[in-house]
Amino acid sequence: LAKTTQPISMDSYEGQEVNITCSHNNIATNDYITWYQQFPSQGPRFIIQGYKTKVTNEVASLFIPADRKSSTLSLPRVSLSDTAVYYCLVGDSDDMRFGAGTRLTVKP
Amino acid sequence: GAVVSQHPSWVICKSGTSVKIECRSLDFQATTMFWYRQFPKQSLMLMATSNEGSKATYEQGVEKDKFLINHASLTLSTLTVTSAHPEDSSFYICSATGDPWDKIYEQYFGPGTRLTVT
Repeated sequence: LAKTTQPISMDSYEGQEVNITCSHNNIATNDYITWYQQFPSQGPRFIIQGYKTKVTNEVASLFIPADRKSSTLSLPRVSLSDTAVYYCLVGDSDDMRFGAGTRLTVKP
Repeated sequence: GAVVSQHPSWVICKSGTSVKIECRSLDFQATTMFWYRQFPKQSLMLMATSNEGSKATYEQGVEKDKFLINHASLTLSTLTVTSAHPEDSSFYICSATGDPWDKIYEQYFGPGTRLTVT
């Protein structure tokens, strides 16, 4: 199972775009890249998933280079309510392990 | 979207007693359910994976006789912490996967259960 590496923490300000990069050098051909958001004392919430190139939904974009050894979650115009821990997972639905995650703090 | 519930949301028990936590998929049939444990300020740690009607597969280091998992139906899995001790105090989260909808590989997470053993 591909191991993921993310920054431990990041700070940002309201209205800014935040990019969180995840490294997954050993990603397998069949692996998808999925990002989750977690608030304290809550279960993780799905943000976005992709396999290659770029994926965009109503809350985020996911950029995946051709070699798929990394991915970048982009959150446009963050607000205080985006303060949370963000996890990058690589694998399929039956084999997903959480890394340490990135603690994002959005300041006013 | 798919909804997973957990019950109870929090529980306090005395050391030596057993506690059962339920995980239900409310609007889909969960072929596979997962149980995680999360300590404060730490990431989620996978405890076990279970498929309906078969024995759970436990991660290395997780005592299967202490953490009993039953996945009796496609909508219900239970985790029983037997002879609980204070070190078992943690946040327990379940998740489930089912037939893919518009997403291919996604786990639907429950809200979690806070267990405190006194």
